[in-house]
Amino acid sequence: QKEVEQNSGPLSVPEGAIASLNCTYSDRGSQSFFWYRQYSGKSPELIMFIYSNGDKEDGRFTAQLNKASQYVSLLIRDSQPSDSATYLCAVGRYQKVTFGTGTKLQVIP
Amino acid sequence: DGGITQSPKYLFRKEGQNVTLSCEQNLNHDAMYWYRQDPGQGLRLIYYSQIVNDFQKGDIAEGYSVSREKKESFPLTVTSAQKNPTAFYLCASSRTAYGYTFGSGTRLTVV
Repeated sequence: QKEVEQNSGPLSVPEGAIASLNCTYSDRGSQSFFWYRQYSGKSPELIMFIYSNGDKEDGRFTAQLNKASQYVSLLIRDSQPSDSATYLCAVGRYQKVTFGTGTKLQVIP
Repeated sequence: DGGITQSPKYLFRKEGQNVTLSCEQNLNHDAMYWYRQDPGQGLRLIYYSQIVNDFQKGDIAEGYSVSREKKESFPLTVTSAQKNPTAFYLCASSRTAYGYTFGSGTRLTVV
């Protein structure tokens, strides 16, 4: 079992729709959870982090964490073509952060 | 502007050659990291350093070496012992638990 699992996609959504990206992790002691956006050929960019169960909203982005189910998700409202990228889920415990392989999102105009 | 600078952007290595990738940050972050990214495999940790003059091996340290003589700098050397070095190399820094800031990366190709 991978430490951090994501569906590789691609996930295709029409412009203006809600994109839902999911991630599961295996280490129950994980403390911090991150979502990074990576455009093709570029380096990852941190877009959200969450530490506590529940929802955290920032603009069009909402991160959701359920530690009991070992599940973290990212919702993107009003998806735009510029949101087309690979989204990396990352899970941290102390100084170690483990990345998933990413989900490719395609927003169709 | 604060950030992380990686150089060079592209690097070509001949068989048996050692090469060094540069990483400099002016964010005053204590922790610095080197990751390797291969298609379909996500990011894998090579080395990390939490303070000057100290560093630890990550998951795939074989064939690589690092130094941390200054807080701002964390260079990575890809040695001839690394048999499959072609990859996208990413340097990152962080304040504890606040996520990483990544550099723009170095693409290394064996020729």
